[in-house]
Amino acid sequence: GQQVMQIPQYQHVQEGEDFTTYCNSSTTLSNIQWYKQRPGGHPVFLIQLVKSGEVKKQKRLTFQFGEAKKNSSLHITATQTTDVGTYFCAGPPNAGKSTFGDGTTLTVKP
Amino acid sequence: DAGVIQSPRHEVTEMGQEVTLRCKPISGHDYLFWYRQTMMRGLELLIYFNNNVPIDDSGMPEDRFSAKMPNASFSTLKIQPSEPRDSAVYFCASRGQVGDIQYFGAGTRLSVL
Repeated sequence: GQQVMQIPQYQHVQEGEDFTTYCNSSTTLSNIQWYKQRPGGHPVFLIQLVKSGEVKKQKRLTFQFGEAKKNSSLHITATQTTDVGTYFCAGPPNAGKSTFGDGTTLTVKP
Repeated sequence: DAGVIQSPRHEVTEMGQEVTLRCKPISGHDYLFWYRQTMMRGLELLIYFNNNVPIDDSGMPEDRFSAKMPNASFSTLKIQPSEPRDSAVYFCASRGQVGDIQYFGAGTRLSVL
């Protein structure tokens, strides 16, 4: 069935450095979603990408959807300590259930 | 709307005891999901409902786990008997019929001693 793979699993950066996490699928996705889970918190929806080659920005966060709609990335410019957490991508529902990636856990050293 | 509401937030119990986790989805949402999250296994989908009907319970680890949704505004996940390896954070999430966004509750942190 549909599966999304995320890399890297962990990323440690110095505050001010950039960060990127990647999400890949073996099948074409109609859309992809990104969620953020703060330490001790719950996953919170960030954004959904639908169009081939789509790029969306939220302040220092840039989300991209690949031309083939099989991959996506989340890039954070100049990380801050508030960016720490686990970032998940999720594919569209398949038989009603979304497929979440394993997540990328970001730690930021001040 | 208050969002997805889960109770209790924390549960500490002894091995062999019955544990019941509760969830109130967002009003009007047709889908309800139960997840388990651990460091080792990440975020696992246990079961999901559509219009109160269980659709896929293939993620339920064992017969000790059961879930019900008696009406559109309430669901339970029960573990009987509980075991230490059930210790995890359990999330409930809901989603509307249109759109793919899932809204998660704050979770129940379960510790089985």
